[in-house]
Amino acid sequence: GNSVTQMEGPVTLSEEAFLTINCTYTATGYPSLFWYVQYPGEGLQLLLKATKADDKGSNKGFEATYRKETTSFHLEKGSVQVSDSAVYFCALRRNTGANSKLTFGKGITLSVRP
Amino acid sequence: DTGVSQDPRHKITKRGQNVTFRCDPISEHNRLYWYRQTLGQGPEFLTYFQNEAQLEKSRLLSDRFSAERPKGSFSTLEIQRTEQGDSAMYLCASSWDSVTEAFFGQGTRLTVV
Repeated sequence: GNSVTQMEGPVTLSEEAFLTINCTYTATGYPSLFWYVQYPGEGLQLLLKATKADDKGSNKGFEATYRKETTSFHLEKGSVQVSDSAVYFCALRRNTGANSKLTFGKGITLSVRP
Repeated sequence: DTGVSQDPRHKITKRGQNVTFRCDPISEHNRLYWYRQTLGQGPEFLTYFQNEAQLEKSRLLSDRFSAERPKGSFSTLEIQRTEQGDSAMYLCASSWDSVTEAFFGQGTRLTVV
């Protein structure tokens, strides 16, 4: 079946540090890939997405590239801010069939120190 | 439009009691999803509606769980004879179709004591 594996957390960084959060997936066919973010006290929000191989999703300074050859979708940001402190979830969605349910990784907590 | 709303935000119940949660999706979104999230885990799919039809249920959804979406608008998730293992965050999401973004509510946190 489909699954998503995220690197173990939590991650603590100083402001302006470089961020990489690893995500790999297992899926049949060619899924769409997503990063969702959950800020304290809020619901899940879509951060970025990519729908096919070699696509790059980007938003708020975050980027992730859909790598079919390594089945990966790593999240990067060049300079993190305190306001980026949140829980980050990698997810996939199959592109066949009527049910567009999401399959999530375990999530990783990011804390950014001033 | 205020987004997906869920009620209540928190629920504490005694083991063996029944509980019901409500989800109001974004208006005109015909797809509605329920997920469950336990501590330290990502959300797990429970069930999915397209309009009023419940089209898929996860094996996680035991016979004690039932979900409805009358008239294809709001949805309810009922858990009968709650168990401590039911303690989790229950998330609702809606989308316009199978390729557009799914929007999540803030969830209902259930604690079974």
